[in-house]
Amino acid sequence: GAGVSQSPRYKVTKRGQDVALRCDPISGHVSLYWYRQALGQGPEFLTYFNYEAQQDKSGLPNDRFSAERPEGSISTLTIQRTEQRDSAMYRCASGQGAREQYFGPGTRLTVT
Amino acid sequence: AQSVSQHNHHVILSEAASLELGCNYSYGGTVNLFWYVQYPGQHLQLLLKYFSGDPLVKGIKGFEAEFIKSKFSFNLRKPSVQWSDTAEYFCAVKSSSNTGKLIFGQGTTLQVKP
Repeated sequence: GAGVSQSPRYKVTKRGQDVALRCDPISGHVSLYWYRQALGQGPEFLTYFNYEAQQDKSGLPNDRFSAERPEGSISTLTIQRTEQRDSAMYRCASGQGAREQYFGPGTRLTVT
Repeated sequence: AQSVSQHNHHVILSEAASLELGCNYSYGGTVNLFWYVQYPGQHLQLLLKYFSGDPLVKGIKGFEAEFIKSKFSFNLRKPSVQWSDTAEYFCAVKSSSNTGKLIFGQGTTLQVKP
């Protein structure tokens, strides 16, 4: 079946604007994860869901970041009042419980 | 706090050379361990994983890794690399007691010269 998809693939926004990043997981996958990856670094955990419930949001850097998965499928990561330091690759992954995670192509966010 | 350290940031090898990429983690409990690979222009793909059992695990494309609990290590190996192995490699660890976050190392860029 289809893999994890993310949209948009690239997003350029001006400082102060809000952005919404979308993740469509593999059909039937219970768990959905968001990571952020700065250049030259490994992915850094942001938050994850089991079904529609947000299980862990300890990685969200501040209250400008939020995520939802209202129907237990598609998820949206929202960044309000973007800042230049938010520029990064945002990666989504899905999985079946405690097993491996399958990653999407990522959204490259650039804040100017 | 959990952390993962990859000692080699950039490795350059000639084709047919042997590869070993180091990975050490810091965590006191039982862990699951992973190696992911990102080929140029592609997304992260799972190379291999360890959950339990035989500490020597085999993955795709001839890669293997050995979990040495006493050394908190999970090094990646391949006896003979190919030009197509040029990619970025990430080691990751997860507590086995939850379904949550992966902690990644900062990655190793492997360049294989033909």
